[in-house]
Amino acid sequence: GENVEQHPSTLSVQEGDSAVIKCTYSDSASNYFPWYKQELGKRPQLIIDIRSNVGEKKDQRIAVTLNKTAKHFSLHITETQPEDSAVYFCAASNNYGQNFVFGPGTRLSVLP
Amino acid sequence: NAGVTQTPKFQVLKTGQSMTLQCAQDMNHNSMYWYRQDPGMGLRLIYYSASEGTTDKGEVPNGYNVSRLNKREFSLRLESAAPSQTSVYFCASSDTSGHLYNEQFFGPGTRLTVL
Repeated sequence: GENVEQHPSTLSVQEGDSAVIKCTYSDSASNYFPWYKQELGKRPQLIIDIRSNVGEKKDQRIAVTLNKTAKHFSLHITETQPEDSAVYFCAASNNYGQNFVFGPGTRLSVLP
Repeated sequence: NAGVTQTPKFQVLKTGQSMTLQCAQDMNHNSMYWYRQDPGMGLRLIYYSASEGTTDKGEVPNGYNVSRLNKREFSLRLESAAPSQTSVYFCASSDTSGHLYNEQFFGPGTRLTVL
């Protein structure tokens, strides 16, 4: 089955700097890659996603890149702010609800 | 529009007791999911249901049963709770009727402790 690895497990950056989180997946059939943000004690919420027919997607300060050949995808957050502090999860899935697997998470701390 | 709701929010059980976690969504989504979240382990899929009347095992189904009661409701049952099932349980739903994955919406979670 699908296996998703995520690095780093913790990340501290200064406010205003950029943060990058990387994930790798094992199943070449995976074609949907969402990123979720989870604040302490709250539910995960989608922040951005990408499908396998696209190499990059941006939404304001957040971007995701996908390299299908290497089976990895990355989350980029620019101009980080204290409210970006949270745990971020990547995930990989194929269609029809099969093999939806999350990475173990990255705890991001943005220091003022 | 409440989204995805879960009950209860907190529960303490003794080893061997049984209980059912309830989940409902009002977004007319066809797919529903149950996850457990343990510290440092991310979210692990227990069971999912791609449509009313169908359920499939996820990564960690042992010790659990599910029922897709109708399109809105998806329950998770622990028949004989064990301390290893202490976790936070999240229900989620998604519209996969177009055979493309779309955003999963999560409920607020149930914090379960088994003594």
